[in-house]
Amino acid sequence: DAGVTQSPTHLIKTRGQQVTLRCSPKSGHDTVSWYQQALGQGPQFIFQYYEEEERQRGNFPDRFSGHQFPNYSSELNVNALLLGDSALYLCASRFDRNSPLHFGNGTRLTVT
Amino acid sequence: GDSVTQMEGPVTLSEEAFLTINCTYTATGYPSLFWYVQYPGEGLQLLLKATKADDKGSNKGFEATYRKETTSFHLEKGSVQVSDSAVYFCALLNVKGSNYKLTFGKGTLLTVNP
Repeated sequence: DAGVTQSPTHLIKTRGQQVTLRCSPKSGHDTVSWYQQALGQGPQFIFQYYEEEERQRGNFPDRFSGHQFPNYSSELNVNALLLGDSALYLCASRFDRNSPLHFGNGTRLTVT
Repeated sequence: GDSVTQMEGPVTLSEEAFLTINCTYTATGYPSLFWYVQYPGEGLQLLLKATKADDKGSNKGFEATYRKETTSFHLEKGSVQVSDSAVYFCALLNVKGSNYKLTFGKGTLLTVNP
């Protein structure tokens, strides 16, 4: 049983560009969350998707947007990249509100 | 708002030493508490959890007890191994309606030497 899978594993972009990160949740999970983990820091909540809608959002600007597809997979889009967007982006999924989050291995984004 | 404070690392121990990583939290209501572990180049793995006061979470020799009176959830292991070298994150979850957001501490890097 595959866990949470993310692609790509590494990405290098230039300041001002746009990026799309992808996530497939663990089988049976329908809720997907995204977290940003800057170097040496704990993960910070970006947003959560359920039933193809953004249900909850952390303190991130509108440059960060997302999407969830009918098969529960999800994308994270970041526009107008800044150097400070360089981080590990983690996707997590869960079965229901009483279940723990399962994390993927993340996408390492470097903005130059 | 909710917050988690954990002891700063790095922590360096010899194999078979006793481990304690302190974690305290600030939250309204009755959050659930977690310890996650992150091995190099990987995502986060749930290590253990506790959902109410006085619960003890345990896994792979690690333990942590949910202490509401001291708002703490310290991680302990009696005898660490080289394979325990990783970053450890304390986190809390306050579920309110459909809101489900983990709040993490900054992480503590543990290095265990043979």
